[in-house]
Amino acid sequence: DTEVTQTPKHLVMGMTNKKSLKCEQHMGHRAMYWYKQKAKKPPELMFVYSYEKLSINESVPSRFSPECPNSSLLNLHLHALQPEDSALYLCASSHLTDRLNTGELFFGEGSRLTVL
Amino acid sequence: GQNIDQPTEMTATEGAIVQINCTYQTSGFNGLFWYQQHAGEAPTFLSYNVLDGLEEKGRFSSFLSRSKGYSYLLLKELQMKDSASYLCAAMDSNYQLIWGAGTKLIIKP
Repeated sequence: DTEVTQTPKHLVMGMTNKKSLKCEQHMGHRAMYWYKQKAKKPPELMFVYSYEKLSINESVPSRFSPECPNSSLLNLHLHALQPEDSALYLCASSHLTDRLNTGELFFGEGSRLTVL
Repeated sequence: GQNIDQPTEMTATEGAIVQINCTYQTSGFNGLFWYQQHAGEAPTFLSYNVLDGLEEKGRFSSFLSRSKGYSYLLLKELQMKDSASYLCAAMDSNYQLIWGAGTKLIIKP
């Protein structure tokens, strides 16, 4: 199983809503990532979890709140978002990078978020 | 600062060969990745180079020169399905990926 599964695939929410994006992988990867991608732009790193602990937070606003309940699951809780937060949100996983492995990222299909 | 440069868009003909170049400047270097991304889909891994030279994988090859901070992705026998964006990403000393803006490849019959 080489899949990273994300739900929902599409989400429309108002600025006062609270919603969550979910990500799951069963490849035994101990690093999981949230990326944000706007149209025609590369992915922007938001958060990295290593061994279920938040290791990188790229100065993301607090209206985005990540959670890693276990080694297979990664959530992104959304609250009081702005229209400019509309984007494709990508989850990815990888083996923890060291000098012995490639650090290849496996991406989910993404959750396309529209904030009205 | 850290920077990745690649052309914004390229056009090629079905059956031909195309080379997509990428130059990088990073704090430390732990490898160079190429990803393919079709419109509206997630990126998929194509190749990884950490040593100088050419890595061949079917119709796709990737080359790296660490001294020049330069890589290219070579696509042979182009097919219409190869129309996509190709993202170059370099891994820095903290093992973080620094992404290029992507090259949109248009294949014409």
